[in-house]
Amino acid sequence: DAGVIQSPRHEVTEMGQEVTLRCKPISGHDYLFWYRQTMMRGLELLIYFNNNVPIDDSGMPEDRFSAKMPNASFSTLKIQPSEPRDSAVYFCASSSGVPREAFFGQGTRLTVV
Amino acid sequence: RKEVEQDPGPFNVPEGATVAFNCTYSNSASQSFFWYRQDCRKEPKLLMSVYSSGNEDGRFTAQLNRASQYISLLIRDSKLSDSATYLCVVNGRSGGYQKVTFGIGTKLQVIP
Repeated sequence: DAGVIQSPRHEVTEMGQEVTLRCKPISGHDYLFWYRQTMMRGLELLIYFNNNVPIDDSGMPEDRFSAKMPNASFSTLKIQPSEPRDSAVYFCASSSGVPREAFFGQGTRLTVV
Repeated sequence: RKEVEQDPGPFNVPEGATVAFNCTYSNSASQSFFWYRQDCRKEPKLLMSVYSSGNEDGRFTAQLNRASQYISLLIRDSKLSDSATYLCVVNGRSGGYQKVTFGIGTKLQVIP
């Protein structure tokens, strides 16, 4: 199993640009999570999906952030427009049920300049 | 009060030492608990689940105290390879759906 696959691994963009992060969960997993990690705030849950349906998006910081899961094997997290304070590592994770072990992707390191 | 609180450390301990971390949580209805390990610039990975009766996996022991609302992780005979950040995770229901909350993590540095 390839595990959770995220792309890109690194992204550097200018303030105001649109950024799209991508995630392919482990096949057969029915939960998908998007997290953001910074030194100051640690790992924060942004949104999670169950069977492709968004369940809890209370962690999404503001309207500039949006997430979609068009099918069981793909999800995107979009930031438009991006700001320097969005700089962080964004992790996608998937699990088979909750509470169960969540498997994380390697993360996308986003830098907004 | 934060939902899940951990001392960020760092904890600097010599090889062979025993070290313990605590993690407190605020939601008394929390249902399940985990410890994850995160190496520098890597993704978090499950270390162990935490059961009410306590559980042990080699040099690692995890315990849950529901009355005081905390979980603990004990590492015996510390190895250099134990150096990492240890994240506690609390899962419960909030607003009708599952809520998974990570602590900020406790950084452990094992020194030769």
